[in-house]
Amino acid sequence: KAGVTQTPRYLIKTRGQQVTLSCSPISGHRSVSWYQQTPGQGLQFLFEYFSETQRNKGNFPGRFSGRQFSNSRSEMNVSTLELGDSALYLCASSPDGTGGAYEQYFGPGTRLTVT
Amino acid sequence: AQSVTQPDIHITVSEGASLELRCNYSYGATPYLFWYVQSPGQGLQLLLKYFSGDTLVQGIKGFEAEFKRSQSSFNLRKPSVHWSDAAEYFCAVVSPGANNLFFGTGTRLTVIP
Repeated sequence: KAGVTQTPRYLIKTRGQQVTLSCSPISGHRSVSWYQQTPGQGLQFLFEYFSETQRNKGNFPGRFSGRQFSNSRSEMNVSTLELGDSALYLCASSPDGTGGAYEQYFGPGTRLTVT
Repeated sequence: AQSVTQPDIHITVSEGASLELRCNYSYGATPYLFWYVQSPGQGLQLLLKYFSGDTLVQGIKGFEAEFKRSQSSFNLRKPSVHWSDAAEYFCAVVSPGANNLFFGTGTRLTVIP
């Protein structure tokens, strides 16, 4: 099976712009989670989607949003970019599962640089 | 609130030496526990996981971890480190009933010849 893919791998944006990142989960996986990784804050959970519905959300401002399509592919959007949004954004997919009793498989990430 | 502590920010070991990376968690019940590894510029790869049962779990690449409830620990071990093990290692937990991984701050492993 192909792994989790994320596009683009690298992105440079200007402060105030918006950006959309894409994630294709492993075939058959219906849950997609997004994480932000920065040197200062480490790995932080953004949100999780399951069957096109946001099932869980981390503590991020409303500028961060996401969605999931019927084929389980997911996008996340960041509006009005700030310098502090520069980070590695990781997507993870997992099989149908509830209660955390599953494994998450991570993609290679999208490196976003905001200038 | 749950938390994960990895007390060692950076560890250096010689190739062939044994390795132990520490992880302590704080949670009211036993969470599900994971170890992930991240090579530079890469995503996270799952090394092993603990849900229940045998407290010594085997993972990929020769790693193992032992869950100790009394110490709220889930330390990662490898008997003989290879140069290719140089990477950053993250301990993570998820609460039964939740869906999001909560990560420690990571331990960077350097392997010297």
